Amino acid sequence: GAVVSQHPSRVICKSGTSVKIECRSLDFQATTMFWYRQFPKQSLMLMATSNEGSKATYEQGVEKDKFLINHASLTLSTLTVTSAHPEDSSFYICSARDLKAVSSYEQYFGPGTRLTVT
Amino acid sequence: AQSVTQLDSHVSVSEGTPVLLRCNYSSSYSPSLFWYVQHPNKGLQLLLKYTSAATLVKGINGFEAEFKKSETSFHLTKPSAHMSDAAEYFCVVSERGYSTLTFGKGTMLLVSP
Repeated sequence: GAVVSQHPSRVICKSGTSVKIECRSLDFQATTMFWYRQFPKQSLMLMATSNEGSKATYEQGVEKDKFLINHASLTLSTLTVTSAHPEDSSFYICSARDLKAVSSYEQYFGPGTRLTVT
Repeated sequence: AQSVTQLDSHVSVSEGTPVLLRCNYSSSYSPSLFWYVQHPNKGLQLLLKYTSAATLVKGINGFEAEFKKSETSFHLTKPSAHMSDAAEYFCVVSERGYSTLTFGKGTMLLVSP
């Protein structure tokens, strides 16, 4: 149980284009999903918290107009990197909290998406 | 405010010897603590979690951790390392009332034959 998927697992795009990454909770409902960014050999950095049906909350320093987050249902959140540049190349990981287990504060993580901008 | 310090960026052990990965935390309130493992280019897998029940927590793959409030520590141990344990390990804290997780910088575990 508690499986989170991400699609695609790898994507290569050209500078200036936009890329959409999907995050799905497969066997549970998630009112809250999180998006993280991880640079090589570094820890995870929280980018934003998304709640179903409302606007995402972005961490300080994260450009909300560049990283568009939509959480339209209890099982799907999307991250769109708009006008991507090479410095946006990174490993993006999403996570989700189970609606039925919010008191545990545990998050279930997706396998990550490797974005390369050329 | 919550924070996590992983005391070693790299730990090297031989296969079959014990593993100790150290973690200290700072939290204003009763924390939940987690250890996650990440293999190269993979997502995170939960090893174990502490949520104010038993202070000695047993996880998957033979790992365990002990919550010591007096020392504000949550060190991860395993009696005997396997080659497959080589990976990055993250100590994570979540403070009661906060929905977000705070990650340590990670400890790379290297296992030699």
